[in-house]
Amino acid sequence: ETGVTQSPTHLIKTRGQQVTLRCSSQSGHNTVSWYQQALGQGPQFIFQYYREEENGRGNFPPRFSGLQFPNYSSELNVNALELDDSALYLCASSLEPGNQPQHFGDGTRLSIL
Amino acid sequence: ELKVEQNPLFLSMQEGKNYTIYCNYSTTSDRLYWYRQDPGKSLESLFVLLSNGAVKQEGRLMASLDTKARLSTLHITAAVHDLSATYFCAVFTSGTYKYIFGTGTRLKVLA
Repeated sequence: ETGVTQSPTHLIKTRGQQVTLRCSSQSGHNTVSWYQQALGQGPQFIFQYYREEENGRGNFPPRFSGLQFPNYSSELNVNALELDDSALYLCASSLEPGNQPQHFGDGTRLSIL
Repeated sequence: ELKVEQNPLFLSMQEGKNYTIYCNYSTTSDRLYWYRQDPGKSLESLFVLLSNGAVKQEGRLMASLDTKARLSTLHITAAVHDLSATYFCAVFTSGTYKYIFGTGTRLKVLA
């Protein structure tokens, strides 16, 4: 059983640029959530996708957007990068929203210069 | 605004001792999760609690949920060094489909 995989593992961007992060969900999982985790903080929920539709969103501006594909893999896109976007971005998949444990990937470390 | 608060934020304890981490949340929810995170690593699911009165145990860890008090506890029995990590609770809000994580409890077990 393949777990949740994220790419890339590290990324360096400059302010104003755009970035796309990718996530492959665990086999059989149709739900993917994205989180932002700043150093020393708890994960902050960005949004969740269930069967290719966004069905929940945290307090993040519209420049944070996403997609889920028919194979349930997912992308997180961030436009107009700001210094405060520097963080660890975590993807988690589950069998369905809310009732099942989430399985997390190792994350993408994004640094904004 | 939904808040999830954990206490203590930091916990240093001796091996062999017992202790409880508390997770309080400010809105109605009957779905609560506990996760473990080691330094520089991702999160590992420990428990999923889906109803009032739910209790789950795995090894030296036991989690419980009281939805009326909006409180979950993570009890550590006879702590060992390998339990040193940061522990997070998280609440799922059914109406808005959001996950809200607590502030985390950084646990250090001293040999």
